[in-house]
Amino acid sequence: DQQVKQNSPSLSVQEGRISILNCDYTNSMFDYFLWYKKYPAEGPTFLISISSIKDKNEDGRFTVFLNKSAKHLSLHIVPSQPGDSAVYFCAASDYGGATNKLIFGTGTLLAVQP
Amino acid sequence: NAGVMQNPRHLVRRRGQEARLRCSPMKGHSHVYWYRQLPEEGLKFMVYLQKENIIDESGMPKERFSAEFPKEGPSILRIQQVVRGDSAAYFCASSPQAGANEAFFGQGTRLTVV
Repeated sequence: DQQVKQNSPSLSVQEGRISILNCDYTNSMFDYFLWYKKYPAEGPTFLISISSIKDKNEDGRFTVFLNKSAKHLSLHIVPSQPGDSAVYFCAASDYGGATNKLIFGTGTLLAVQP
Repeated sequence: NAGVMQNPRHLVRRRGQEARLRCSPMKGHSHVYWYRQLPEEGLKFMVYLQKENIIDESGMPKERFSAEFPKEGPSILRIQQVVRGDSAAYFCASSPQAGANEAFFGQGTRLTVV
């Protein structure tokens, strides 16, 4: 039962354009969402997060949007740079829970073409 | 300021042997999480530990897998009698307080069972 879904396994974008990565979830108990970036042979690196009480969070070139009614979130990267090429994982947690484990999606491989 | 340190980075074991994976959390972090990433999949939560306590092991296979986080020393993920299906990347993350939000990940241990 995949509670966090990233339906696009890959995405290719031109340098300077916007990258939009999408994520859907099924568990309405999730109240905190995160995006991680992962290069090959390295661990995931935290990118940006959003609480369920917000619908947008921005940090430099990265913005995360949350649509609770649709159980959907997206990560926007603008402008995209070749160094952004990596696998992006969406993750969710029930922060109010006792263990706060993260539930990850399967990832989207972003390729930014120079 | 060292990050989360995992060793070894690569581990090869024959079927039936034991695998021990080590994780030293970031300084000041007393919460440790282990995740497993099978080929072509996202990260799956395995276990959440605090010093000397297992808080949530709901993601651990029922047999052959165990984890500990002693008062002194690193956290250990132990896999007994490894099988080919245990081949995966195992990631450890740590956080300074309860809540895996913005947990910091190590570079992972890639286990190959031959």
